[in-house]
Amino acid sequence: DSGVTQTPKHLITATGQRVTLRCSPRSGDLSVYWYQQSLDQGLQFLIQYYNGEERAKGNILERFSAQQFPDLHSELNLSSLELGDSALYFCASSASGVAKNIQYFGAGTRLSVL
Amino acid sequence: QQPVQSPQAVILREGEDAVINCSSSKALYSVHWYRQKHGEAPVFLMILLKGGEQKGHEKISASFNEKKQQSSLYLTASQLSYSGTYFCGTRSGGSNYKLTFGKGTLLTVNP
Repeated sequence: DSGVTQTPKHLITATGQRVTLRCSPRSGDLSVYWYQQSLDQGLQFLIQYYNGEERAKGNILERFSAQQFPDLHSELNLSSLELGDSALYFCASSASGVAKNIQYFGAGTRLSVL
Repeated sequence: QQPVQSPQAVILREGEDAVINCSSSKALYSVHWYRQKHGEAPVFLMILLKGGEQKGHEKISASFNEKKQQSSLYLTASQLSYSGTYFCGTRSGGSNYKLTFGKGTLLTVNP
């Protein structure tokens, strides 16, 4: 168990809908990262938050947004969903100010858009 | 830029050795290795920092050649539990700590 909690584990929805994925980082970790994993694309970095502030952005679509709350949990919002958004979405967290900066992954949310 | 992993897939018999390579066209600060079983979360194996460090974890070790921007993961005397997809994640420095992952190497260990 990595200590990173993601909910829900599975999500089935229809095209055009909006969903919210939730992530609670390991105790004490200030950084949260979101990744998308689909069969043909591998692990794609979406966005990073550090202590409530956006720190880095990857290949995140405009239909997707995220935030990190004062209690450090993070949410990834996906809207106007398309079939191609079906994927595993992982959240990872890491400690701050440490050179090694090891990222620990949650179990993921499997999103199926029908 | 996404690091390139090779081979894409490898099949071993229990007890055999394997090497997985990861190379980048960018100067790297660190290389992180993960193993992922199907449908599960990637699990951290080890990290290599620039300086050519070689780290070990039981029968799994890795090296980092800073001049070539390459890292190699060595699995010796493989066990069935080593099966999975191995990813290298690279960090080029800076303050954002984001990792860019390779496409992965699927390792299958058969009895």
